[in-house]
Amino acid sequence: EVQLVESGGGLVKPGESLRLSCAASGFSFREYAMNWVRQAPGKGLEWVSSIGSGGASIYYADSAKGRFTISRDNAKNSLYLQINSLRAEDTAVYYCARDNNDAKARTFDYWGQGTLVTVSS
Amino acid sequence: QSALTQPASVSGSPGQSITISCTGASSDVGDYNYVSWYQQHPGKAPKLMIYDVSSRPSGVSNRFSGSKSGNTASLTISGLQAEDEADYYCSSHTGSSTQVFGTGTKVTVL
Repeated sequence: EVQLVESGGGLVKPGESLRLSCAASGFSFREYAMNWVRQAPGKGLEWVSSIGSGGASIYYADSAKGRFTISRDNAKNSLYLQINSLRAEDTAVYYCARDNNDAKARTFDYWGQGTLVTVSS
Repeated sequence: QSALTQPASVSGSPGQSITISCTGASSDVGDYNYVSWYQQHPGKAPKLMIYDVSSRPSGVSNRFSGSKSGNTASLTISGLQAEDEADYYCSSHTGSSTQVFGTGTKVTVL
């Protein structure tokens, strides 16, 4: 069974940093591109970043460029998102999502339960 | 990276069919057959319902179907059931290898 478990969220002050983690199991992690998607309270989904299976191909939404860094450790079956200089508008549930290898392009076929990041003084 | 436009809400009675539209631009929906649809129940993670415009993942009911015409993609739910009541989001690949989601549609089963 595919499982994605996010961790690392919490209450942080503006300007602080946070590292989110996603532990994957139930599939060959090294064969899949992975993604982060966030959802502000009561709002819609927003794609944040993607990383290729080997870690070389990395893409960011404009809102994430410069402050967010996606990375992965295939030996540990883990995905990460480093967020620096956190702002109130970064407050959201952050989901880890697997790319669907059956699709011709980026599609999210499995999602974690999400980890809540709250940025407030 | 402007969000794709979806109607805020769509409703229907059990057994009816409803269609949710997703309007983008020639740089995303119009240029690629890479539209996907997600269902999200309150407090839950999204679930993939349709990918590559009209393909269904295994396990997803054939009551869900997708299509596209020009810059607008559509999700049709036939034989509407109470469990279909949820938020639905479309998503598309864009020209800069990024991804954009729709604004979301709340489906209500009357």
